[in-house]
Amino acid sequence: AQSVTQLGSHVSVSEGALVLLRCNYSSSVPPYLFWYVQYPNQGLQLLLKYTSAATLVKGINGFEAEFKKSETSFHLTKPSAHMSDAAEYFCAVSSYKLIFGSGTRLLVRP
Amino acid sequence: DVKVTQSSRYLVKRTGEKVFLECVQDMDHENMFWYRQDPGLGLRLIYFSYDVKMKEKGDIPEGYSVSREKKERFSLILESASTNQTSMYLCASSPGTEAFFGQGTRLTVV
Repeated sequence: AQSVTQLGSHVSVSEGALVLLRCNYSSSVPPYLFWYVQYPNQGLQLLLKYTSAATLVKGINGFEAEFKKSETSFHLTKPSAHMSDAAEYFCAVSSYKLIFGSGTRLLVRP
Repeated sequence: DVKVTQSSRYLVKRTGEKVFLECVQDMDHENMFWYRQDPGLGLRLIYFSYDVKMKEKGDIPEGYSVSREKKERFSLILESASTNQTSMYLCASSPGTEAFFGQGTRLTVV
């Protein structure tokens, strides 16, 4: 069975600070892993994806994530937060069906 | 660009009504999904389909059914709407890796 756990329903950072959003997964087969972003009143937009190539994946808007099989983690980072990064972020796993975590709302303080 | 179109952005229905939510994709994707999104619960999979006339239950299928008569169209049906089905409904299509989402339908059952 697949599952995704996102630690922290809300994360607050100052503008310019490091962003770290945590995601752990479980899957019985090698998974595809994804991070999506949702801005208010919009659908989900793909930030980045891991499909068993490089373990460090770069996405849009300066985000990146590292696949760590030993830790079953796929944490999302960005070196310097911008006000426009405020949104809800979802981690997802797919090996048979696409399953999402509960989401983390990122707040960016001026 | 991939386009996933959901027929309504906002919908208000009465308890007991039969409700149809329509989703159309224009990229010839094999896979289509219906999710509901509720605060603090993330996206929960209702049903998905791997091909025309094929469907599989997701994690919360109770009270819902689906129809996929044509490859591009995946319909979600609420057989008898109830107030606990008030939610945001998101449709997605996928070629097998990442999913592409529609804008969502916010359904209110009164």
